[in-house]
Amino acid sequence: RKEVEQDPGPFNVPEGATVAFNCTYSNSASQSFFWYRQDCRKEPKLLMSVYSSGNEDGRFTAQLNRASQYISLLIRDSKLSDSATYLCVVNRRSSNYKLTFGKGTLLTVNP
Amino acid sequence: EAQVTQNPRYLITVTGKKLTVTCSQNMNHEYMSWYRQDPGLGLRQIYYSMNVEVTDKGDVPEGYKVSRKEKRNFPLILESPSPNQTSLYFCASSLVSGAGEKLFFGSGTQLSVL
Repeated sequence: RKEVEQDPGPFNVPEGATVAFNCTYSNSASQSFFWYRQDCRKEPKLLMSVYSSGNEDGRFTAQLNRASQYISLLIRDSKLSDSATYLCVVNRRSSNYKLTFGKGTLLTVNP
Repeated sequence: EAQVTQNPRYLITVTGKKLTVTCSQNMNHEYMSWYRQDPGLGLRQIYYSMNVEVTDKGDVPEGYKVSRKEKRNFPLILESPSPNQTSLYFCASSLVSGAGEKLFFGSGTQLSVL
C-alpha cells in the first residue's frame, strides 16, 4: 500500500456541484494532515489542515477518520476558480520529519 | 511580505555542468526543504533541514547536495546534472511547531538538463 493515495481523477463537474475527494494513508503513526491546492505549474498552497474533529472553512469541509486511515475534502457550490489539483499531505512526525504528498487529484469546474 | 524566493525560475543546462538553485526565506523559519515534481509521481522530497547546519535526506537525495549555513538560505546543488534530473523543483519552509506546520513554497524552478 502506498504511503498516501488519492482518488485518481480527473473530476469534471459543473458550477454549483458538490465534489468530494478521498485520500488514504498507510502509516498509523501519522499525526498531521493537510489539503493543499496547486494551480498548473505553480507552487502548492495550503488549503486547510485536517483535524480529528473535522473542520470547515466556507465551502470547504475536511474530515479525518483515523480508524480507517483516510481523510476527505468536500467542496460545496463549486466555482470556476476551484479548478486546480488538490494534494493530500501527511506528516509522520519522527526523527525524519517527513511530509508525504499524494499525487493529487485534478478538478475542473465547467461553466 | 513573507515569502520564499527561488532563483532562477527557468534553467536550461547541459549534462555535467554544475549548477545551484538558490532558496531564501524571510520568515525566520527553522525548517526548509526541497522537492521535485514530476508528472505521475507527484511531489517528492529531496533534502530537508531542521535548522542551521542540520540537514537530512528525503526520499530522492541521489545526485543532489544541500547546505544550511544561514537560517534564511538553503541552496540546492547539482554537482553533475543528468537528464533524469529534469524536473520542476520547489523549495519550502515552515516553523517547527507542535500542532501542524503550514509549508510556504517558492514559485518553483523548471530545470531542463540536455
